[in-house]
Amino acid sequence: AQKVTQAQTEISVVEKEDVTLDCVYETRDTTYYLFWYKQPPSGELVFLIRRNSFDEQNEISGRYSWNFQKSTSSFNFTITASQVVDSAVYFCALSEGRSGNTGKLIFGQGTTLQVKP
Amino acid sequence: DTAVSQTPKYLVTQMGNDKSIKCEQNLGHDTMYWYKQDSKKFLKIMFSYNNKELIINETVPNRFSPKSPDKAHLNLHINSLELGDSAVYFCASSQGRAGNTIYFGEGSWLTVV
Repeated sequence: AQKVTQAQTEISVVEKEDVTLDCVYETRDTTYYLFWYKQPPSGELVFLIRRNSFDEQNEISGRYSWNFQKSTSSFNFTITASQVVDSAVYFCALSEGRSGNTGKLIFGQGTTLQVKP
Repeated sequence: DTAVSQTPKYLVTQMGNDKSIKCEQNLGHDTMYWYKQDSKKFLKIMFSYNNKELIINETVPNRFSPKSPDKAHLNLHINSLELGDSAVYFCASSQGRAGNTIYFGEGSWLTVV
């Protein structure tokens, strides 16, 4: 069965600290896709990144970086030099590649990040 | 221009009422979704439509009826509202195939009193 686990319910850091949000997934598919979304206090869901299961290269986008490791079924997200505007709930999600599945996302429970000034 | 827009953003209604949430996307996508976020922030898919055809219905009570008049619109009608229906409902869209990025609307906050 497919599952996404974000074990950290809440994280609190002080501005400029680095913080890593953990995501562990379970799937029997060999083809799958992983995502991160941000939900700021205003409530919308903002897409951050998409990775497919065949691409294990780490990715960096500004202060954001993602570490995908198939060996540990993890897709962790690091924010470097955190800022108050990074305060939000962050969701990791999985989409399986089976035929007929047109994009159903299985979400983790979310990690609430609070960045204090 | 908002890519996925849904209305209303806030809705407070009494138990037993019928209400609708409308959604429109201008991304040219062929697949649209409704997701529900409960009070604990957990997100779960409710429905998915591809080219106006229902393809995912995740054990949602039949009081919930989605309707897709065309590829760009997916509305959600809820009959006989119950307290437990209080949640945030997100409309979303993607271009077909599994694994493509899903873009979400801003959410509709439904409160049933």
